[in-house]
Amino acid sequence: QKEVEQNSGPLSVPEGAIASLNCTYSDRGSQSFFWYRQYSGKSPELIMSIYSNGDKEDGRFTAQLNKASQYVSLLIRDSQPSDSATYLCAVNWGNNDMRFGAGTRLTVKP
Amino acid sequence: ETGVTQTPRHLVMGMTNKKSLKCEQHLGHNAMYWYKQSAKKPLELMFVYSLEERVENNSVPSRFSPECPNSSHLFLHLHTLQPEDSALYLCASMNVGLGNTEAFFGQGTRLTVV
Repeated sequence: QKEVEQNSGPLSVPEGAIASLNCTYSDRGSQSFFWYRQYSGKSPELIMSIYSNGDKEDGRFTAQLNKASQYVSLLIRDSQPSDSATYLCAVNWGNNDMRFGAGTRLTVKP
Repeated sequence: ETGVTQTPRHLVMGMTNKKSLKCEQHLGHNAMYWYKQSAKKPLELMFVYSLEERVENNSVPSRFSPECPNSSHLFLHLHTLQPEDSALYLCASMNVGLGNTEAFFGQGTRLTVV
């Protein structure tokens, strides 16, 4: 069964620190991986995508993928209070099958 | 104009009502999705339309009925809902089979069944 697991949190970090968000998935057939940010009462917005093993950096965000361990993570450097949100991990297994984790709630304290 | 637009943004309906949710995408994508988001639960995939054909139906009760008249429009018809159907209903679109597959979401419809 295809599942995406995340620690629901809440994860609390001080402003300026590195926030580390983790995600595991159940099936090696997965093809692409995404991190979405969802503010309270809003819809998810895409912040990172990663398709191959290794690191991918975009500004303060770094996504890390390890397919052998079925693990994907998101690092947020220099965390800001505006980063406080729920972060959703998503895995696309192809054939229109895209599934989400329950999300990790992040709070960045000034 | 946003890429994926959902209407209405909020909906309150009785259990005997019939209503419809609408989604429109302006991104030229070839697949559209309905997801249900309940409090503290993962996004639940409800329906997928790819090239206007329904390709996924995850054991959704028949009181939810999707319709995809063309690749840009998607509807979710609702009838005789239950209070537990109250949730945020999200529409998403993506290009399937064309390399990188990123889903883009509409603003969602907050549904309350009374």
